[in-house]
Amino acid sequence: DGGITQSPKYLFRKEGQNVTLSCEQNLNHDAMYWYRQDPGQGLRLIYYSQIVNDFQKGDIAEGYSVSREKKESFPLTVTSAQKNPTAFYLCASSIGARVDSPLHFGNGTRLTVT
Amino acid sequence: GDSVTQMEGPVTLSEEAFLTINCTYTATGYPSLFWYVQYPGEGLQLLLKATKADDKGSNKGFEATYRKETTSFHLEKGSVQVSDSAVYFCALSDRGTGGFKTIFGAGTRLFVKA
Repeated sequence: DGGITQSPKYLFRKEGQNVTLSCEQNLNHDAMYWYRQDPGQGLRLIYYSQIVNDFQKGDIAEGYSVSREKKESFPLTVTSAQKNPTAFYLCASSIGARVDSPLHFGNGTRLTVT
Repeated sequence: GDSVTQMEGPVTLSEEAFLTINCTYTATGYPSLFWYVQYPGEGLQLLLKATKADDKGSNKGFEATYRKETTSFHLEKGSVQVSDSAVYFCALSDRGTGGFKTIFGAGTRLFVKA
């Protein structure tokens, strides 16, 4: 079955450490996205990529970095510069440059930084 | 800029009750509109979509109509079940300066009691 795999499901880190969240898709989608979800809030866009080797900042990119070296992979690094990194992180993909393309989501990674 | 506003929750209903979750939007272009559902500990799943004015999206007994004149996309279901308990997100997708973007409302939590 095609889908998006995020790993790990839960991640614990000490303050000051960088951490990388994995996202892999086998849907052959061109576009991939990272969202952050906090309790009681909607999803906020961190970074997105519409094609391999290219990506753009979203609304809350500070303290995060990404790469898109392969079509199926879009890892997110949460750096020590991110002031409040504890959150639920969701990766998504879509067919591409079409306004009617829905997003397909992974099951998320819950990151806790202490 | 584009935005989505949906009714605050939680919404608590008894089984077989009628459900309405209000959603209004602002957009500069011609967006597509979506409802996504999130079950505990999971990512979001597409529930339904509508891509132009007066379109009605429907799935699993849920439906919503794209109303351009009132800039609304309210979600309805005639008879809810306990299994419908989840968080529901209204979203729009539109073309912006950096490409296509999806903007989410804050989500509405629904509890259905047996």
